[in-house]
Amino acid sequence: DSGVTQTPKHLITATGQRVTLRCSPRSGDLSVYWYQQSLDQGLQFLIQYYNGEERAKGNILERFSAQQFPDLHSELNLSSLELGDSALYFCASSVNTHNAQYFGPGTRLTVL
Amino acid sequence: GESVGLHLPTLSVQEGDNSIINCAYSNSASDYFIWYKQESGKGPQFIIDIRSNMDKRQGQRVTVLLNKTVKHLSLQIAATQPGDSAVYFCAENSGGSNYKLTFGKGTLLTVNP
Repeated sequence: DSGVTQTPKHLITATGQRVTLRCSPRSGDLSVYWYQQSLDQGLQFLIQYYNGEERAKGNILERFSAQQFPDLHSELNLSSLELGDSALYFCASSVNTHNAQYFGPGTRLTVL
Repeated sequence: GESVGLHLPTLSVQEGDNSIINCAYSNSASDYFIWYKQESGKGPQFIIDIRSNMDKRQGQRVTVLLNKTVKHLSLQIAATQPGDSAVYFCAENSGGSNYKLTFGKGTLLTVNP
């Protein structure tokens, strides 16, 4: 158990819908990262927050957004969902911006 | 239709043997590397990391070797056990001082009892 929690574990929804994935980092970690893992693309970095501020962006679509709240938990919002958004979404956290990242168990999103 | 997936390199070893998993990284400026283990249906699990000012680091039953000259990273697992069966990813920091990990495609390790 890495100490990173993610909810929900599974999410099934329809195209065009909007969902919110939630992540709580390890106690004491200030940095949160979101990743997408799909069969054909592997593990792809989406976005990073540090102490509430966005720090880096990766391959994140405009339909996706995220935020980190004052209590350091983070949410990833996915809107106008498409079939191709079906994937595992992982959150990771680290103490600061230059230390090992620890991953949560992931949320499996299925878009029908 | 036919599904398209990543074709992972695979390594099959006998229980008790030593395993070596290799990784070629892309960015010569990368200064930090991590090995992760991912079991089916779970998140990547941190195994060991190494910074670019080192060429070797040891953990419990694992050793990471870094060869910056040829941009190569390896993970050695001693006395491999069935519980080591998983996909192993190397990741490099490609974001400078603000770490942004780029993951390799992974290697599937299968340990035969």
